[in-house]
Amino acid sequence: NAGVTQTPKFQVLKTGQSMTLQCAQDMNHNSMYWYRQDPGMGLRLIYYSASEGTTDKGEVPNGYNVSRLNKREFSLRLESAAPSQTSVYFCASSEGRLSAFFGQGTRLTVV
Amino acid sequence: QKEVEQNSGPLSVPEGAIASLNCTYSDRGSQSFFWYRQYSGKSPELIMSIYSNGDKEDGRFTAQLNKASQYVSLLIRDSQPSDSATYLCAVNGGSQGNLIFGKGTKLSVKP
Repeated sequence: NAGVTQTPKFQVLKTGQSMTLQCAQDMNHNSMYWYRQDPGMGLRLIYYSASEGTTDKGEVPNGYNVSRLNKREFSLRLESAAPSQTSVYFCASSEGRLSAFFGQGTRLTVV
Repeated sequence: QKEVEQNSGPLSVPEGAIASLNCTYSDRGSQSFFWYRQYSGKSPELIMSIYSNGDKEDGRFTAQLNKASQYVSLLIRDSQPSDSATYLCAVNGGSQGNLIFGKGTKLSVKP
């Protein structure tokens, strides 16, 4: 039972490069989320998707785009990476008001 | 801006003592409340959820909710060194279920 799977686990990008973080869940959850976590800042919501076909901005959406490809998959794209996007990124999924389950995280460094 | 506030700590308790972690939230419409534990370098892991006023106990953990005071707490009885981690309070932020997190309280249990 995999739960929430994120790829890659680690990535180093040069400023201006683009990349897509992949996330898939096998729990048949409707809601999926992307968070970033920085020291002293807690988990901040970037984007979320309440159901297949819908996406909404969270607290810190600038510089990111998302795609809810189907019910299982929710990807996060950085079009032109900046050093300020150096962070740990977590994907999560949940059903309704119930708790969210997290992937193992992606540690991204932009140089 | 909906907010979840936690004391960042660190909170230091001796082994065997009760650790008390607190959280306040700003949105009176919030309906679901969660405590996550996060070890350094790992993803958040759900330890308690609570949806109605009062206490909920699970083993050594007790969650307490007071909606009138917009206050959630977590008590850890018989604290162990393995409980040393950052504890994140999360609140359901709206009808679509996007979770808002506090910045976390770092707990250290000394042998």
